[in-house]
Amino acid sequence: GESVGLHLPTLSVQEGDNSIINCAYSNSASDYFIWYKQESGKGPQFIIDIRSNMDKRQGQRVTVLLNKTVKHLSLQIAATQPGDSAVYFCAETERTDKLIFGTGTRLQVFP
Amino acid sequence: DAMVIQNPRYQVTQFGKPVTLSCSQTLNHNVMYWYQQKSSQAPKLLFHYYDKDFNNEADTPDNFQSRRPNTSFCFLDIRSPGLGDAAMYLCATSRTRGTEAFFGQGTRLTVV
Repeated sequence: GESVGLHLPTLSVQEGDNSIINCAYSNSASDYFIWYKQESGKGPQFIIDIRSNMDKRQGQRVTVLLNKTVKHLSLQIAATQPGDSAVYFCAETERTDKLIFGTGTRLQVFP
Repeated sequence: DAMVIQNPRYQVTQFGKPVTLSCSQTLNHNVMYWYQQKSSQAPKLLFHYYDKDFNNEADTPDNFQSRRPNTSFCFLDIRSPGLGDAAMYLCATSRTRGTEAFFGQGTRLTVV
């Protein structure tokens, strides 16, 4: 089923520090994962993706790690900036069209 | 340039009055999704199309329906909106299974 929560977990980091946002997924058949960033009042924005045949993928300032054994996904943001403040969602899909979102994490960056 | 366009950005409707939200895409993607997102929650999948094949989620209320007259357009119809249907409605597209989904900016629905 869907992951829902009335209160988003919040991660507070200082500008310039690295951030690590975690996500646990439930479907062991999921083979494609995406991290999205959502700013207030806007639609989710793609950050980075990873397929199940990989355990790590790097982008610009971001790294996604996938641990299939424990069904865990993480997003690492290097040198976090104020513009990174947003809600971050992981999403998963198995060999179907469905893209299912996990519970988000609010990232707050303070000076 | 926006690739997934949702209109309107804000919609106010009366309790019980049918309302339609629209989504268009310039990407020529096969898959189109509709999500409902309430405050501080994850987007919840309502249904999706793969081309013309419609896939309804088991827990999507009958009050919600969708139409996809062609590749570019998809509509969300709420037949009798209730106060609990107030939410952000997000449209997304992806080229095919297991590929990046692109989101529109959403339509915020208020029911009065």
